[in-house]
Amino acid sequence: ILNVEQSPQSLHVQEGDSTNFTCSFPSSNFYALHWYRWETAKSPEALFVMTLNGDEKKKGRISATLNTKEGYSYLYIKGSQPEDSATYLCAFRSGTYKYIFGTGTRLKVLA
Amino acid sequence: SAVISQKPSRDICQRGTSLTIQCQVDSQVTMMFWYRQQPGQSLTLIATANQGSEATYESGFVIDKFPISRPNLTFSTLTVSNMSPEDSSIYLCSVEEWVPGELFFGEGSRLTVL
Repeated sequence: ILNVEQSPQSLHVQEGDSTNFTCSFPSSNFYALHWYRWETAKSPEALFVMTLNGDEKKKGRISATLNTKEGYSYLYIKGSQPEDSATYLCAFRSGTYKYIFGTGTRLKVLA
Repeated sequence: SAVISQKPSRDICQRGTSLTIQCQVDSQVTMMFWYRQQPGQSLTLIATANQGSEATYESGFVIDKFPISRPNLTFSTLTVSNMSPEDSSIYLCSVEEWVPGELFFGEGSRLTVL
């Protein structure tokens, strides 16, 4: 059974703090790793699709890194803002192309 | 990217009843996917809805409990039958676009079963 773990489950940070979370996934049969941001009552929004070991992606204050050999990805948020409050999901895609989601990291940014 | 509309957005249901969730996409797609997120759990694929054929269910999900319709290339429904409190979840409809190779989701239907 393929397992995707995310940590921490939740965290609270002050506005302006930088933070990061982890996604751990199987290191074999890797196809892609996806990050999504899911705000309450909205659709999950795709942040990054990462396919190559050593990939680094950046969108504004949010960036992500990928290590397929050891099976982890980090998501970083620099200078957190209240509008960053959301659940951040990662999803692992194997050679079968199915998405296996983690349980998410719930971020609350306090003003 | 695809725009996906789901309804209802939320509902409170009585045990033993059934509820149908509708999903409308603004473009024609071959496959539509139905996911469930139970409290504290990960998003889990229930089934893949193909137009013109029966849905393909994942392990642990059966057609009698989650019948799916797919009458055309832009619309699908998921019914949650004979509901129990364990069915209280967020149900999400999604489609995949190969470029850039990612899933797009509806806003979800939050069901609470009393």
